[in-house]
Amino acid sequence: IAGITQAPTSQILAAGRRMTLRCTQDMRHNAMYWYRQDLGLGLRLIHYSNTAGTTGKGEVPDGYSVSRANTDDFPLTLASAVPSQTSVYFCASSDGTSGANEQFFGPGTRLTVL
Amino acid sequence: GQNIDQPTEMTATEGAIVQINCTYQTSGFNGLFWYQQHAGEAPTFLSYNVLDGLEEKGRFSSFLSRSKGYSYLLLKELQMKDSASYLCAVNGGDYKLSFGAGTTVTVRA
Repeated sequence: IAGITQAPTSQILAAGRRMTLRCTQDMRHNAMYWYRQDLGLGLRLIHYSNTAGTTGKGEVPDGYSVSRANTDDFPLTLASAVPSQTSVYFCASSDGTSGANEQFFGPGTRLTVL
Repeated sequence: GQNIDQPTEMTATEGAIVQINCTYQTSGFNGLFWYQQHAGEAPTFLSYNVLDGLEEKGRFSSFLSRSKGYSYLLLKELQMKDSASYLCAVNGGDYKLSFGAGTTVTVRA
């Protein structure tokens, strides 16, 4: 049982570089999400997708983009990384048709932008 | 906007009971979740409340009062492995969750 996988596990990146964080789920969930987690601020939603082919902006979308070409994959791209994007990034998915809408989280990517 | 408040830290002794409170003010409401997150790991689901009252699941219970915008997570018979952060999250509709900053619980021997 894989659930949700994320890659890379961690990355150190120079400011100004482009970076794509990968997320894949094998639960056939409709909805997928990207969060960043910073000390004292908790999890904040960056972008989400309710179903393949659609995406939406969360609380902190600036500097990030996403795509949802199919059900399983939901990559997050930083077009030109800045030090304030240093964070732990979690991808999550949920069965959007369920009222309880439990979200399942991937193991996270620790990103450092220098 | 969404506003979810919970205490930053709590400390308790092994075998004791701890209650973590969460208050929320959100533009919509479609349920409240509690997640557990051990250091360096992903959050994992603990409980879900959408109606008022108490939901019990083993050593963990969660309570909701929608009229008061209030929930608590009760951890009984604390064990060392319960040392973790506990995240309160509100589903404000459209399948999106808003999270509180989390409460770090430290269990002492």
